[in-house]
Amino acid sequence: GQNIDQPTEMTATEGAIVQINCTYQTSGFNGLFWYQQHAGEAPTFLSYNVLDGLEEKGRFSSFLSRSKGYSYLLLKELQMKDSASYLCAVTFNYQLIWGAGTKLIIKP
Amino acid sequence: EAQVTQNPRYLITVTGKKLTVTCSQNMNHEYMSWYRQDPGLGLRQIYYSMNVEVTDKGDVPEGYKVSRKEKRNFPLILESPSPNQTSLYFCASSLSGGLASYEQYFGPGTRLTVT
Repeated sequence: GQNIDQPTEMTATEGAIVQINCTYQTSGFNGLFWYQQHAGEAPTFLSYNVLDGLEEKGRFSSFLSRSKGYSYLLLKELQMKDSASYLCAVTFNYQLIWGAGTKLIIKP
Repeated sequence: EAQVTQNPRYLITVTGKKLTVTCSQNMNHEYMSWYRQDPGLGLRQIYYSMNVEVTDKGDVPEGYKVSRKEKRNFPLILESPSPNQTSLYFCASSLSGGLASYEQYFGPGTRLTVT
């Protein structure tokens, strides 16, 4: 079966750094997506990793290790608007398998 | 404006009454997909379409039908809705769904309640 695990909820302080982990066990792998979803809204794209290593995009970075079935999303200089759910998804062939998402709570 | 639209945004219906949720994109995307999102379960793929007249089942296709007669439209049909299909539904599209995976653009969602 397909399995993607993320922590259900995390809390961090405004201005700090937080790392959201994602582990996966899937029957295939083309790449891994991270999406952000604010409450009541549609998911929006953050990053896509195909090869091992770290990809940086402004305050957000995403890391992938294919041999370990592991990824993380790193958010720096946290802002209140970063309070949202962060969804990890693995793609292979034409399918996408999603994790349940990590709800990130930012405290002032 | 490039977008994915869904209608209706909210729908309350009764068990067994056939309904259709429409989805349309104006980006000339090949790949379209339907998801349902339930608390604690995340997004689950219902059906996807790689191009016109090409559709395939996702993880949870039971009780749903789709069609892709035109590139821009991908309606979701519930022939006989049941209460366990109460959920938040998202339509999404991307340039392609193949090995060169592209980001998906999501519609605003349709909140369906079946009583």
